[in-house]
Amino acid sequence: QVNLLQSGAALVKPGASVKLSCKASGYTFTDYYIHWVKQSHGKSLEWIGYINPNSGYTNYNEKFKSKATLTVDKSTNTAYMELSRLTSEDSATYYCTSGYGRDWGQGVMVTVSS
Amino acid sequence: DIQMTQSPSFLSATVGDRVTINCKASQNINKYLNWYQQKLGEAPKRLIYNTNSLQTGIPSRFSGSGSGTDYTLTISSLQPEDVATYFCLQHNSGPYTFGAGTKLELK
Repeated sequence: QVNLLQSGAALVKPGASVKLSCKASGYTFTDYYIHWVKQSHGKSLEWIGYINPNSGYTNYNEKFKSKATLTVDKSTNTAYMELSRLTSEDSATYYCTSGYGRDWGQGVMVTVSS
Repeated sequence: DIQMTQSPSFLSATVGDRVTINCKASQNINKYLNWYQQKLGEAPKRLIYNTNSLQTGIPSRFSGSGSGTDYTLTISSLQPEDVATYFCLQHNSGPYTFGAGTKLELK
């Protein structure tokens, strides 16, 4: 059974960075790209980008190119997304998803506040 | 970027009703269109992929159709557990984009 387990909620100060994790299990990690999606409170969804766990190749939404950095650690079947220079606009729930959008993590809420 | 215009934004219906939700793309997306259901406090769940393929485990009252720029999600007989927000997603070309969502409630 596929499971994407995301790290816990984060409270971070404006201007800081945060690194979110997404640990995959139940399938071969390198078989599917990992995508990341942002959902601002009560609103719609935005696609941030994806990473190919096999090659490390990344493809970003232009809107998030200077905000998000996607990486993977194949030894632990874990994908990461680092968000930098955080502002209140980055407060949201972030999801990782795999299997062509079939499987989703539980989401992690990031709150940017001083 | 491809814009996805989803309608209606809100929908109130009765148990047993046939419900349709629409997404219109700003250009041809070649049937690369998924539908998701999101209940309060949960992650989105994929219902339909590539326009009309039903995700394993999803009830057959859900179906999808469309081509070109126009796509539809249909619930043939609304059930109480279908109360949720529904989103479409185009994955034809980057950046992938979602519709704004349809909030479905019971009348």
